[in-house]
Amino acid sequence: EDKVVQSPLSLVVHEGDTVTLNCSYEVTNFRSLLWYKQEKKAPTFLFMLTSSGIEKKSGRLSSILDKKELSSILNITATQTGDSAIYLCAVGIFISNFGNEKLTFGTGTRLTIIP
Amino acid sequence: NAGVTQTPKFQVLKTGQSMTLQCAQDMNHNSMYWYRQDPGMGLRLIYYSASEGTTDKGEVPNGYNVSRLNKREFSLRLESAAPSQTSVYFCASSEMGRGGDIYFGPGTRLLVL
Repeated sequence: EDKVVQSPLSLVVHEGDTVTLNCSYEVTNFRSLLWYKQEKKAPTFLFMLTSSGIEKKSGRLSSILDKKELSSILNITATQTGDSAIYLCAVGIFISNFGNEKLTFGTGTRLTIIP
Repeated sequence: NAGVTQTPKFQVLKTGQSMTLQCAQDMNHNSMYWYRQDPGMGLRLIYYSASEGTTDKGEVPNGYNVSRLNKREFSLRLESAAPSQTSVYFCASSEMGRGGDIYFGPGTRLLVL
């Protein structure tokens, strides 16, 4: 059974702190690892990491994929109250000869930034 | 572009009632998905449609049926709602069926009493 595990489940830090969120996976037919941010509604896409792109950065957010350890981290530096959200990790799993993938999600990390 | 739209936004059902959740996308995407999200469980795939005319079961298909009416629309039906189906339902679509280009709808909050 495909499994994606995130830790910690929740995290409370002060504005300006740096946080690291973890994601580990155990799946067959791995294609990609994705990070999403979910505030009040639908998840919004942050990063996609694959074998050919194991590190991504956008502003204060960065992510690394460790294919040997089957894990990924999401770093957020100089956190702001607007970073408060649930951060979801998902793994894209190859499901067909047409190149289709399906996503298996972790349970998410709830991040709260205190002003 | 509206992206992915879902109706209704919120629904209350009694146990045993049926209903259909509607989803449409205007991005000409091939693949469409239905997920449910429960507290502490993340998003779980109910059904997906890799392309028009095909549907397949995901992780938690029991109690649901789907119809890929055309390329734009993918509906989810609950034939006999149960309290365990209380959840937030997200529809999503992607052009190539790749994880990196999935777009989610705003969600439907369903309460089954």
